Amino acid sequence: GAVVSQHPSRVICKSGTSVKIECRSLDFQATTMFWYRQFPKKSLMLMATSNEGSKATYEQGVEKDKFLINHASLTLSTLTVTSAHPEDSSFYICSARDLIRGGDTGELFFGEGSRLTVL
Amino acid sequence: AQKVTQAQTEISVVEKEDVTLDCVYETRDTTYYLFWYKQPPSGELVFLIRRNSFDEQNEISGRYSWNFQKSTSSFNFTITASQVVDSAVYFCALSESTSGTYKYIFGTGTRLKVLA
Repeated sequence: GAVVSQHPSRVICKSGTSVKIECRSLDFQATTMFWYRQFPKKSLMLMATSNEGSKATYEQGVEKDKFLINHASLTLSTLTVTSAHPEDSSFYICSARDLIRGGDTGELFFGEGSRLTVL
Repeated sequence: AQKVTQAQTEISVVEKEDVTLDCVYETRDTTYYLFWYKQPPSGELVFLIRRNSFDEQNEISGRYSWNFQKSTSSFNFTITASQVVDSAVYFCALSESTSGTYKYIFGTGTRLKVLA
């Protein structure tokens, strides 16, 4: 069964509003979680690395103030898209590393994804 | 720099045909991991296989098989006797440790359409 869960799976919002997406590791502790963005018919692009208890590390070109990441506990990371615009519409996927299941392979376990549509 | 190339953007086959999806990678590390994922229209990523850089043994799982060749930096995926349910986007990914931090690099994906 799923080991990483995302919520909501779909969200539609108006331009200018903020949207929060949650990513939970269900039965393991994840000190690090990763947020990806996927445009239609494109690959997954790493947006940021979420670190429990400290600031997230953003990839080049990703706006920190636009995509707020909070990793307040060992099982929860949140991505908030602030002042959303239509160009933020995308599929957002989170992932986490379970050192027991994945060992030292670096294998990531992915959430189901959240499809954001900004009107 | 690390890179994963899936040259085939889209492939269409007729049901029961065999199809091979190509994956070529670049890395400077001697220890790394390769993965294949399936992404059906619903969007979730379905894990298919993981292979480490020291294990070049090919693997077969039902209709799926993987050919890992370090000499050509390739990790190709073959579906035998394809079925309509195999229609999806398939991603190859590379995981390597850079200063102790693993990073996943995804290929651009190959969209497979299996026609009835």
